[in-house]
Amino acid sequence: SAVISQKPSRDICQRGTSLTIQCQVDSQVTMMFWYRQQPGQSLTLIATANQGSEATYESGFVIDKFPISRPNLTFSTLTVSNMSPEDSSIYLCSVVADNYNEQFFGPGTRLTVL
Amino acid sequence: KQEVTQIPAALSVPEGENLVLNCSFTDSAIYNLQWFRQDPGKGLTSLLLIQSSQREQTSGRLNASLDKSSGRSTLYIAASQPGDSATYLCAVKDYGGSQGNLIFGKGTKLSVKP
Repeated sequence: SAVISQKPSRDICQRGTSLTIQCQVDSQVTMMFWYRQQPGQSLTLIATANQGSEATYESGFVIDKFPISRPNLTFSTLTVSNMSPEDSSIYLCSVVADNYNEQFFGPGTRLTVL
Repeated sequence: KQEVTQIPAALSVPEGENLVLNCSFTDSAIYNLQWFRQDPGKGLTSLLLIQSSQREQTSGRLNASLDKSSGRSTLYIAASQPGDSATYLCAVKDYGGSQGNLIFGKGTKLSVKP
């Protein structure tokens, strides 16, 4: 398994500002991902964080809004830029174990935008 | 496009009861299926992973089955306890798309009454 931590655990932000969320894994992993869970909804994949190259974004998500860094095999950041109330969600970091393809999730960052 | 449905959306049972949560998916060409538990405002805890070649997996009081041909999975919880109260999510991974793109159902919210 993989132990994943995220910072911050929650934040309340003003419209128009940006927030950077950090994800730390206790072991080196090839695959890291960022998901969003909007209120009352299930999870949606935002992007795959690639080590040493640009992130790969899913349809409906763009780099200018959600820039991602992946400086090494244990760490990634997601920035939510120019926030609006519609960005209020839980943001979750996820990794895939190198064997069996089991996927693990961090505790999430609960973001509220006023 | 793969779609995952979970029935029922909510379930309330008395402590000690055995129960079954249902998950169905529209495209049987899946790589694996994973059951998660989510406590309110928290991240996801992986419960069971079933590879496409497997029929079931067991962990303690939990048993998950997979019938790819009919596009169904069930999560059986034996002797339910109040601590089992949470939302249970089913997710499938297709062969296509991003490697991290788990497609989630909307979940079953379980409440176990003492």
